[in-house]
Amino acid sequence: GQSLEQPSEVTAVEGAIVQINCTYQTSGFYGLSWYQQHDGGAPTFLSYNALDGLEETGRFSSFLSRSDSYGYLLLQELQMKDSASYFCAVRDNDYKLSFGAGTTVTVRA
Amino acid sequence: KAGVTQTPRYLIKTRGQQVTLSCSPISGHRSVSWYQQTPGQGLQFLFEYFSETQRNKGNFPGRFSGRQFSNSRSEMNVSTLELGDSALYLCASSFDSGSTDTQYFGPGTRLTVL
Repeated sequence: GQSLEQPSEVTAVEGAIVQINCTYQTSGFYGLSWYQQHDGGAPTFLSYNALDGLEETGRFSSFLSRSDSYGYLLLQELQMKDSASYFCAVRDNDYKLSFGAGTTVTVRA
Repeated sequence: KAGVTQTPRYLIKTRGQQVTLSCSPISGHRSVSWYQQTPGQGLQFLFEYFSETQRNKGNFPGRFSGRQFSNSRSEMNVSTLELGDSALYLCASSFDSGSTDTQYFGPGTRLTVL
């Protein structure tokens, strides 16, 4: 089966940098995605990595190492609006999308 | 384009009843997936439909079923409700352009089983 591990909580102050790690074990691998979900809201897509390396989208960056079955989401210049849950997700050989349990990021003033 | 819509948004049922949830995907999207979200459990995959066919199924009991219509709208049904079925049920649609396709989520249906 599939398993994804990510920290349950991270707290940081405004302007700081936060890194959310995700390690995965899947049968096959098509790429690592990240989603953001604000309390009471729907998950929204943030980024996708299919190949090793860093992808940058504004203040958010995502990294993947396929050999280590590891990736991370980097949130820079944290803002209060970044307080949310962040999920990593992997699509396997059966084309199922499996999500981690989520990391709750709390940004303090 | 309008986003993914789900109805109803909130539902209260009692044990033993059954419930049907509806999802209308983004226009042009052919794939619809359903997820159950409970605190601390993340999103658990229920099933995925593509062109009216169930393409994938998660590890949920047979009480959970779904279907997709020719206009890509989808419904999921839960029979003989249990207290543990209380959760947020999310529907997501995608165009299904390949392994990189992005999931667009609806606001969810909050189901409470008493």
